[in-house]
Amino acid sequence: QITLKESGPALVKPTQTLTLTCTFSGFSFRSRGVGVGWIRQAPGKALEWLALIYWDDDRRYNPSLESRLTITKDTFKNQVVLTMASLVPVDTGTYYCAHTHSNSWFFDYWGQGTLVTVSS
Amino acid sequence: DIQMTQFPSTLSASVGDRVIISCRASQTISNWLAWYQQKPGKAPKLLIFQASSLEIGIPSRFSGSGSGTDFTLTISSLQPDDFATYFCQQYDTHSTFGQGTKVEIK
Repeated sequence: QITLKESGPALVKPTQTLTLTCTFSGFSFRSRGVGVGWIRQAPGKALEWLALIYWDDDRRYNPSLESRLTITKDTFKNQVVLTMASLVPVDTGTYYCAHTHSNSWFFDYWGQGTLVTVSS
Repeated sequence: DIQMTQFPSTLSASVGDRVIISCRASQTISNWLAWYQQKPGKAPKLLIFQASSLEIGIPSRFSGSGSGTDFTLTISSLQPDDFATYFCQQYDTHSTFGQGTKVEIK
């Protein structure tokens, strides 16, 4: 059974860097084609894809946010970490991590999401 | 960036209705499109990938079609559990989501 869970601060100040951790079970980065992505959703708004990392350490970023994002994985800990720099209030929203397979870009298992508020 | 436009933004329907939601890409994306269902306070749920492939465990009343720039999600007979918001996602070039279609009770 695949599960994912996001963790990180609920409140971050403007200009600070956000660090989110996705801890998962039921799959491994040792499996070919596996990937974990981050997607966020501002309150009442659409989904926005942020970043994706694959089993072979291939990393992809949303071009409009790439300069602010870093995604890494820890195969032994079954974790993926996303950092986002230079936060502003419009970065407020729910951040999800999600699983993909076959080197694809659609997400078949999602975490419950974690709400991050950017405010002074 | 590839923009995804969904329509309608809100749809009022009754149980048993056939519901069609549309999604248009700003440039061709072949069949690299997925559909998700999201309920309030919950994570999205994958329904369809590669435009028309039904995800395991999803009821057969859901179907997807289209290629190139125009796509549709059809619910053949709306059930009470289907009132939710639906998003399309292109994954031809990076990934972008549509703005969502809320299916509400008529």
